[in-house]
Order: sequence, then C-alpha cells, then structure tokens
Amino acid sequence: EAGVTQSPTHLIKTRGQQATLRCSPISGHTSVYWYQQALGLGLQFLLWYDEGEERNRGNFPPRFSGRQFPNYSSELNVNALELEDSALYLCASSLWQGGTEAFFGQGTRLTVV
Amino acid sequence: AQSVAQPEDQVNVAEGNPLTVKCTYSVSGNPYLFWYVQYPNRGLQFLLKYITGDNLVKGSYGFEAEFNKSQTSFHLKKPSALVSDSALYFCAVPLVAGNMLTFGGGTRLMVKP
Repeated sequence: EAGVTQSPTHLIKTRGQQATLRCSPISGHTSVYWYQQALGLGLQFLLWYDEGEERNRGNFPPRFSGRQFPNYSSELNVNALELEDSALYLCASSLWQGGTEAFFGQGTRLTVV
Repeated sequence: AQSVAQPEDQVNVAEGNPLTVKCTYSVSGNPYLFWYVQYPNRGLQFLLKYITGDNLVKGSYGFEAEFNKSQTSFHLKKPSALVSDSALYFCAVPLVAGNMLTFGGGTRLMVKP
C-alpha cells in the first residue's frame, strides 16, 4: 500500500513569489494535515482538511492557504513568500476518527532566497 | 490547552544499553498520546500510541512506552539500543478538536557503538 506522497521534494523560490506544495494521502484516509518544521521552531500545525473542507488552522497568516480535492489529495499554497517561510513542510493523513494515528509523507523542503 | 513537553534536547546512550526518552503531558480528560521518530531529511514515522487500557504500550522496532497518569508522563523506552535508533523523537498529543497534533520540542537520541 502506498504511503503519503508529497511533491516536489525540494522547491526553491524567491522572496515575494508563490509556492504550491502537493500531497496525496493514503488510500481511504479522508483527513489531511499540513505541518511546518522550521529550524529552531519545531513542528507547527498549519492546516487540517477533511472531506474537502478546512476544519482547523494553526497560528499562521492568511497567506498560508490550501485546499482538498474530491480525491482527498491536497495542496498547500504560500503566497508572498518570506525568507522565514524556509522550512520542511510535512503532510500527514489519517482516518477521521479521534485517536487514530497520522502517517506522514517525506516532506517538501522549501527554500526562499 | 493540550500540550506535551520533552525535557531533554538530547539523550546519549551506548549501544546495547536500555534507553529512555522522556515526555510529560498536560491534557484535559483522558489523553491520546503518540510517539513519532524522524530520521535525517525524512518525514515522521509512527512508533506507538496510547488510547486507553494497558499502561505499557508496545510499538514498532522494539520500542515501548509507559503511561503514568499520576506523573502525567509517557516515556519511550527500549531494552537494548541500536546505533540505527539514532534519530529525532517526538511526543505528541491531539489538539482538543480533531486529530491534528501538537508536538513536543523533540529529543535527539544518539546511540554510540
């Protein structure tokens, strides 16, 4: 069974540009989560999508947005990139039931120059 | 608010010795608790979880964790460490609504031959 897949693996953007990151969940999982892992800041929850709807978002500005498609895949968009957006962005998926473990992709390394 | 703390940034242990990676939690109600491991430049891998029941939870790769309600702890343990166990370990708890996780700061485990 395929795990969570993310693309691209690496992404280099210039400050002020937009970045789009993609995630395909494990088959059967309806919930997709995005996390940011920035150096020195640990793992921060960004967004949660389930059944095509944004269910919750972390303490990030509105220029971080995304969506979930009917096949449950998801994309994360970061507008007006800033240098501090450089981080590893991790996608995870799970069943919607509480207490179920989430499975993570390998991440997208975003570098803003 | 739900939270977990990992009091040690790094744990050093010799190969073959037992290891413990500490985690304490602060949650309302009965906690769901998780351990994940991250190898360099990779996403997180699920190790084990506590939902309810036995206080000793067994997980992947020979790891286990002990839930202690009186001490509000969920320490990760392994009877005999391997060099290949060297990685970054995260304790996590779901935020109040949904399965999105809040993570501890991470503990780097270094197993030396």
